[in-house]
Amino acid sequence: EAQVTQNPRYLITVTGKKLTVTCSQNMNHEYMSWYRQDPGLGLRQIYYSMNVEVTDKGDVPEGYKVSRKEKRNFPLILESPSPNQTSLYFCASSFRDHNQPQHFGDGTRLSIL
Amino acid sequence: QKEVEQNSGPLSVPEGAIASLNCTYSDRGSQSFFWYRQYSGKSPELIMSIYSNGDKEDGRFTAQLNKASQYVSLLIRDSQPSDSATYLCAAGGTSYGKLTFGQGTILTVHP
Repeated sequence: EAQVTQNPRYLITVTGKKLTVTCSQNMNHEYMSWYRQDPGLGLRQIYYSMNVEVTDKGDVPEGYKVSRKEKRNFPLILESPSPNQTSLYFCASSFRDHNQPQHFGDGTRLSIL
Repeated sequence: QKEVEQNSGPLSVPEGAIASLNCTYSDRGSQSFFWYRQYSGKSPELIMSIYSNGDKEDGRFTAQLNKASQYVSLLIRDSQPSDSATYLCAAGGTSYGKLTFGQGTILTVHP
């Protein structure tokens, strides 16, 4: 089954404790992207990757890091999480770039205390 | 001005009516436009994509794009209670890789 898999689905943690949210797709997609969703603000793009070793900032990259060492994986790293990063996070992928329909993962709800 | 702006909801329509969802965008060079549906607690799922001016129909859904007015809309005919969800408009911008979403419109279809 074609899918985008995120882990964990839920996480409660404390300020400053490094965490990684993993994202993996099995569709051989070149483009992957991370979004956060907050009430009233819609989805905001954090980082995206056009291919292996090619990443770039979206609209809200502060406090986040990403890497794309393999085509299928695109982890989101919070080096020193803060309460304002409490949000619902989605990973998405598409065949080539941002102009194709995105396939979304099931989401990760992060709570930073 | 927000880059992608949707009509403020929530929108409530009776079952069987036409629901009209609207979206404007500021990046005149945008080439791709999408409507996603998101049920509460779930991930967005694609409803329609549109790339050219005019109408695109898929079952009960019609997307309309007017690049001159920088406007894209989604019409849902014969609305059903199962259509109740948040609808997200997105535009693929001229900045390479950038996809911008609107804030979403909550649609409720009441029996």
